[in-house]
Amino acid sequence: DAKTTQPPSMDCAEGRAANLPCNHSTISGNEYVYWYRQIHSQGPQYIIHGLKNNETNEMASLIITEDRKSSTLILPHATLRDTAVYYCIVRVQTGANNLFFGTGTRLTVIP
Amino acid sequence: GAGVSQSPSNKVTEKGKDVELRCDPISGHTALYWYRQSLGQGLEFLIYFQGNSAPDKSGLPSDRFSAERTGGSVSTLTIQRTQQEDSAVYLCASSLEIGEQFFGPGTRLTVL
Repeated sequence: DAKTTQPPSMDCAEGRAANLPCNHSTISGNEYVYWYRQIHSQGPQYIIHGLKNNETNEMASLIITEDRKSSTLILPHATLRDTAVYYCIVRVQTGANNLFFGTGTRLTVIP
Repeated sequence: GAGVSQSPSNKVTEKGKDVELRCDPISGHTALYWYRQSLGQGLEFLIYFQGNSAPDKSGLPSDRFSAERTGGSVSTLTIQRTQQEDSAVYLCASSLEIGEQFFGPGTRLTVL
């Protein structure tokens, strides 16, 4: 699976949009971009994934650049409960395989 | 429906003792994964099961670690002769054959 690079930490004001970047310049054509988050003392939680089109669900939006070398996870209205470590992972979709979690971005939502 | 459950939530043991950690995956999920997370670290893959195929044990750190999955559902991770460096949160996840993994709350293992 391709390596990803994320900033180690970010702050965001409550109610504002949180934009979390991820670089994955070595991504292959059949690799998807997945985002998970881990709130303190809990297991990781799936957020969203995409291949090349932008995706949106009830939790977040995922914007993938046209060359697929980077992406941004957007939490449109951050709340204090969104404070967590966010992991960007690239992986093939076919066949179950383990996830490689890097160090992620620690997002702190500030009141 | 019910998510992935793990038991116990916390386990304290003495060095040299054996421990068993249990994972109940989401019903119908054919894939099951074990990871561990040391304090302040990312997740470390241990083992994964997919249907009736032979498990991928490539992440197990030593032969003291083993896991089984009975009837394609419940899984048990066993650590023999525990060492202090085994202290970590052990996380289980399950998924359909393809798609996102759903994680349990983890078991926090402390080896004294």
